[in-house]
Amino acid sequence: GAVVSQHPSWVICKSGTSVKIECRSLDFQATTMFWYRQFPKQSLMLMATSNEGSKATYEQGVEKDKFLINHASLTLSTLTVTSAHPEDSSFYICSARVTGYNTEAFFGQGTRLTVV
Amino acid sequence: AQSVTQPDIHITVSEGASLELRCNYSYGATPYLFWYVQSPGQGLQLLLKYFSGDTLVQGIKGFEAEFKRSQSSFNLRKPSVHWSDAAEYFCAVANTNAGKSTFGDGTTLTVKP
Repeated sequence: GAVVSQHPSWVICKSGTSVKIECRSLDFQATTMFWYRQFPKQSLMLMATSNEGSKATYEQGVEKDKFLINHASLTLSTLTVTSAHPEDSSFYICSARVTGYNTEAFFGQGTRLTVV
Repeated sequence: AQSVTQPDIHITVSEGASLELRCNYSYGATPYLFWYVQSPGQGLQLLLKYFSGDTLVQGIKGFEAEFKRSQSSFNLRKPSVHWSDAAEYFCAVANTNAGKSTFGDGTTLTVKP
């Protein structure tokens, strides 16, 4: 199957700093990428949908100025958590999809963010 | 709006016993349905998926699931559970146009020796 890679796998940052997470589709072109957040012992919640070359669409309640998403190419999307705070500590997972019917989204391995 | 309900938060089975994890979905058209497994601190692994066609879907690790439109269900089954199957299981429904997935709250599977 198609491979989606996230980097880094885990990151620790100080409160008030920004951190960038990368999501790459390694062997296919992803017209659409999705970013999810998962708190401990909870399910995955969709944060935003990004289409290559256009602005991301954020889910209700997700602060677009805090979670900056860029999808500059068909193989790379980035999520930047700006001015991170301890409550932003979570597991962030991306998925990537080729547009069309009967096409699934492939998930990255996730990034564990800890803000101290 | 699409939604997924996994009625069982936690299930415990004995090793070698059969397993069924329940999943009910809400979606306006024919859905894309998925089952994923997640071990602690890890990402998601796709077990199986349903897009169309045969309603009984075979997946990896001996899992299968059956799509029942009349019941809006997509239950996951395994005839004989192994200790290594202990993990968190998520059912998901995807929007066939936009592709974004909605996940259930998950079911934690514990396997007794």
